[in-house]
Amino acid sequence: ETGVTQSPTHLIKTRGQQVTLRCSSQSGHNTVSWYQQALGQGPQFIFQYYREEENGRGNFPPRFSGLQFPNYSSELNVNALELDDSALYLCASSSGEGPLSYFGPGTRLTVL
Amino acid sequence: DAKTTQPPSMDCAEGRAANLPCNHSTISGNEYVYWYRQIHSQGPQYIIHGLKNNETNEMASLIITEDRKSSTLILPHATLRDTAVYYCIVRVALFSGGYNKLIFGAGTRLAVHP
Repeated sequence: ETGVTQSPTHLIKTRGQQVTLRCSSQSGHNTVSWYQQALGQGPQFIFQYYREEENGRGNFPPRFSGLQFPNYSSELNVNALELDDSALYLCASSSGEGPLSYFGPGTRLTVL
Repeated sequence: DAKTTQPPSMDCAEGRAANLPCNHSTISGNEYVYWYRQIHSQGPQYIIHGLKNNETNEMASLIITEDRKSSTLILPHATLRDTAVYYCIVRVALFSGGYNKLIFGAGTRLAVHP
């Protein structure tokens, strides 16, 4: 059973640019959630995808968007990057019928 | 907002039991208590969860008070590798396609020292 993987590991962008982060969910999991974790804080829920549809969203602006593909992998897109978008972005997958979320190692985004 | 309250930091000697408390006084009858931990700059790792009975697995034990307003995570023999931030989260059980949002607070930073 493969775990949750994310790419890239690290990324540096400049303000105003766009970024795409990728996540491969754990085998058999059909639900993917994305979280943003600023330095020294707990992860904050961005949104969730279930069977290619967004079915939950946290308090993040529309410039944060996502996709889920038929193989349940997912992308997080952030447009018009701001300095405050610098954070660790975490992807978590679950089966949709079990109580557990399994997290990937995260992508560290730095916006200059 | 997080529904739980945890001390910001704790220390523990290696080999001793680490007891991490969590208050969740507004927990609902259908909400479970989950514990995750996050070792520096890694993704959170699931530890254990429970509804009202005490639970034990290979990593830890979870003690939930009878009124369910608080709980304690116990690492029976802490090692240096248990140094991490520990998060206590309350949430309803997931159903198929259900909303799987986890609300993290600031957690407890556990430092295990030799």
